[in-house]
Amino acid sequence: GAVVSQHPSRVICKSGTSVKIECRSLDFQATTMFWYRQFPKKSLMLMATSNEGSKATYEQGVEKDKFLINHASLTLSTLTVTSAHPEDSSFYICSVARTDLGETQYFGPGTRLLVL
Amino acid sequence: GQSLEQPSEVTAVEGAIVQINCTYQTSGFYGLSWYQQHDGGAPTFLSYNALDGLEETGRFSSFLSRSDSYGYLLLQELQMKDSASYFCAVPYSSASKIIFGSGTRLSIRP
Repeated sequence: GAVVSQHPSRVICKSGTSVKIECRSLDFQATTMFWYRQFPKKSLMLMATSNEGSKATYEQGVEKDKFLINHASLTLSTLTVTSAHPEDSSFYICSVARTDLGETQYFGPGTRLLVL
Repeated sequence: GQSLEQPSEVTAVEGAIVQINCTYQTSGFYGLSWYQQHDGGAPTFLSYNALDGLEETGRFSSFLSRSDSYGYLLLQELQMKDSASYFCAVPYSSASKIIFGSGTRLSIRP
């Protein structure tokens, strides 16, 4: 499989501030990582595809200026929620794709963001 | 576009067998995956079917029928720890992106 970590696991911030979430692939060099958002009792919604060394690809309806993604190395992708508002409160999860294991994705433990 | 349908909730008894169905509509099909997610946790990979038929992994099995655009996850000898949400998912591009179904919440009672 793949071991993926996220930091922080939980974060509370004031409205208007920015929050950075880190996603690390600990045992696999990932040229591609994915960022998802999940609201309570809902499914995972893909936000964007993080590409090492190039711009992220955002899904329709996701504001790229609000959710900044940087994939500076093969083991680290960061998601920055800029000017966070209460409606951005959610569970953010990253994943690493192992195409050599049949399109399997391995997920980080997630980051729970609460914006006051 | 892509869409997946699965029941929202299923209830079963400890020790029993339960089947969670998933029907899908995709433009291009690579395979069907299943993920388990406990409350507050991240999804974990359970199985992947690229070809028709049944794949067995311990107490869990997954089935795919491409002609029917249908698959299911079969859980046997249910344990209380199997109480979780189960998502079917399909890759939908060569970029390894996947789309998830709405999830089935499995509740197990003693």
